[in-house]
Amino acid sequence: DAGITQSPRYKITETGRQVTLMCHQTWSHSYMFWYRQDLGHGLRLIYYSAAADITDKGEVPDGYVVSRSKTENFPLTLESATRSQTSVYFCASSEKPYYEQYFGPGTRLTVT
Amino acid sequence: GDSVTQMEGPVTLSEEAFLTINCTYTATGYPSLFWYVQYPGEGLQLLLKATKADDKGSNKGFEATYRKETTSFHLEKGSVQVSDSAVYFCALSDGSGAGSYQLTFGKGTKLSVIP
Repeated sequence: DAGITQSPRYKITETGRQVTLMCHQTWSHSYMFWYRQDLGHGLRLIYYSAAADITDKGEVPDGYVVSRSKTENFPLTLESATRSQTSVYFCASSEKPYYEQYFGPGTRLTVT
Repeated sequence: GDSVTQMEGPVTLSEEAFLTINCTYTATGYPSLFWYVQYPGEGLQLLLKATKADDKGSNKGFEATYRKETTSFHLEKGSVQVSDSAVYFCALSDGSGAGSYQLTFGKGTKLSVIP
């Protein structure tokens, strides 16, 4: 029972580079989410998806792009990484809207 | 908009002490309420939940009761262990139909339990 996995777990990249964070869930949950966790800000929603091919912006979407061609995958791309995007990124999924969400282990991203 | 307020940490307790972490919320609809726990270097794990007023969520010795009249969902445990050391997040999901289905989180309370 793998649940929800994220890769890579740690990533160091340079300013201006494109980087993609992967998220995969095995429950066939319809809803998936990307959050970032920063000291002083708690968890903030970047993007979410209600189903394959349906995505929408959250609280802090600027500089990020998502896609969802398959129900189980929800990759997050930083098109041109900036130092302000240094953070811990969590993917989550939920069976139904407004139900509890299940989180992946996170990706710690450092932009130098 | 929706918001969750948790007591400021960090909280340091001796093993077997009683734990209370306060959580109050503001929501437009009839939210579901959750407590999540985050151990160092890990993701958030659902600890317990309550979906309507007067519901009590419980798990691993932790309890929280959904109090609509005081808009609160305080986390309690009768006897903490060193292994309970973690960051605890209170969260709500407002099912009013508007918004992104997201969870609204409190800032987190770091608990350290010393032997």
